Amino acid sequence: ETGVTQSPTHLIKTRGQQVTLRCSSQSGHNTVSWYQQALGQGPQFIFQYYREEENGRGNFPPRFSGLQFPNYSSELNVNALELDDSALYLCASTVGGQGDSPLHFGNGTRLTVT
Amino acid sequence: RKEVEQDPGPFNVPEGATVAFNCTYSNSASQSFFWYRQDCRKEPKLLMSVYSSGNEDGRFTAQLNRASQYISLLIRDSKLSDSATYLCAVFSGSARQLTFGSGTQLTVLP
Repeated sequence: ETGVTQSPTHLIKTRGQQVTLRCSSQSGHNTVSWYQQALGQGPQFIFQYYREEENGRGNFPPRFSGLQFPNYSSELNVNALELDDSALYLCASTVGGQGDSPLHFGNGTRLTVT
Repeated sequence: RKEVEQDPGPFNVPEGATVAFNCTYSNSASQSFFWYRQDCRKEPKLLMSVYSSGNEDGRFTAQLNRASQYISLLIRDSKLSDSATYLCAVFSGSARQLTFGSGTQLTVLP
C-alpha cells in the first residue's frame, strides 16, 4: 500500500473540455510527480511539485498545468483536451525535491477523451 | 534515439524457465536505476532498485553496467504469476525526472 491516492479512478471527457485530476500524497511526503502513460508505452514525466512550486517539467505543452497545496496534495489540470490525451495518469509522492528516490505510484486515473 | 530503450518483446516462456531483460540508457550522467512491474490496467509497482554491485531479491537479479550503459533483470524459475510488463526506469538528476522504457511484456506459460 503506497499511501498515495488518486481520484477519480476513471473519467470520460470530450475533446476540447478541461479536466482536473487529484492526488493525495503519502503522509510526510512533500514532493509530488505526475506522469502520463499512453497505451503500450512507459510513463512519461509531466512535472514535479516540491513545497508548492513546480521544480521540474517534462516535454508537455502549457495546457498541462498543476498545483500543489499546503498539505502537499496536488492537482493536474489539462485544458483543451485532445484525443491523444487519453491515457493513464499517475501520481507519486516522495520526500525531498530531487526525485532520485524510487517512485511509488498511486493507482492512477484512466482518462478517455472522445 | 530514445533515452531509455528496452527489449521489444513480447517474451513467452514456459514455467520454470530463466528469462533476462536488458535496458539501455543514453545519458551517461544517470544516477539511479529501477525495475518496475506493471500488471494489465494497473499502476507500475517498484520491483527493485539496481545497484552498481548488482543485487538479488529471491528469484530476481538486477545488474548495472555503467560502462556500457545498460541494466538487466534476470528472473529464474519463472512462475505464472510473473506474467506482467516489466519497465526499466532511469533517474537523471539534471532533469529531475524518472525516464521509463516502453516496457517488455512477459507471459509465463503453463
